[in-house]
Amino acid sequence: QKEVEQDPGPLSVPEGAIVSLNCTYSNSAFQYFMWYRQYSRKGPELLMYTYSSGNKEDGRFTAQVDKSSKYISLFIRDSQPSDSATYLCAMSAVRQAGTALIFGKGTTLSVSS
Amino acid sequence: EPEVTQTPSHQVTQMGQEVILRCVPISNHLYFYWYRQILGQKVEFLVSFYNNEISEKSEIFDDQFSVERPDGSNFTLKIRSTKLEDSAMYFCASCQGSADTQYFGPGTRLTVL
Repeated sequence: QKEVEQDPGPLSVPEGAIVSLNCTYSNSAFQYFMWYRQYSRKGPELLMYTYSSGNKEDGRFTAQVDKSSKYISLFIRDSQPSDSATYLCAMSAVRQAGTALIFGKGTTLSVSS
Repeated sequence: EPEVTQTPSHQVTQMGQEVILRCVPISNHLYFYWYRQILGQKVEFLVSFYNNEISEKSEIFDDQFSVERPDGSNFTLKIRSTKLEDSAMYFCASCQGSADTQYFGPGTRLTVL
């Protein structure tokens, strides 16, 4: 069983739509969850970080973690063409520098104007 | 805004040759990482480095790989004898000792012929 699963898409939505991106994981030791955005030919850029279960909101972005279901989500409200990118979920079991992040495969999102 | 830089952006080499990928982490960061992403696959952790020694490494990071911080600014990944399957994007990342946000560089595309 793969540690982190993420539907690669592609996902195409019109401008202004609400986007839902999801990952499932198998390792119950994961406690720290991140979403990175990756534009073409660029490195991953941290968008959101969440510890354990619950919601976190930052502007148009909301990250949600359900540890009982081993399921995390990223919601994007009022999506913009500039949101077109690949979104990677990442997670780790411990929160300390030096610890490896385990990534999902990434979901490619295209927002059309 | 400070950023992680990587050189070269694209490296082409022959199978069996040695390559050195270079990274300049953010100046006040203390932890350094290498990840790789084979085309169409996940970002995979290779190694983390702190205080001039390896903190953690994955199964991928075998004897063909080595890392070094030769001076106060550079962080390098050496592959001693490249194989076709080493072709990938290699990302360097860094973070502060007490923080956990890993900042990624733009990557080096390694092509092994």
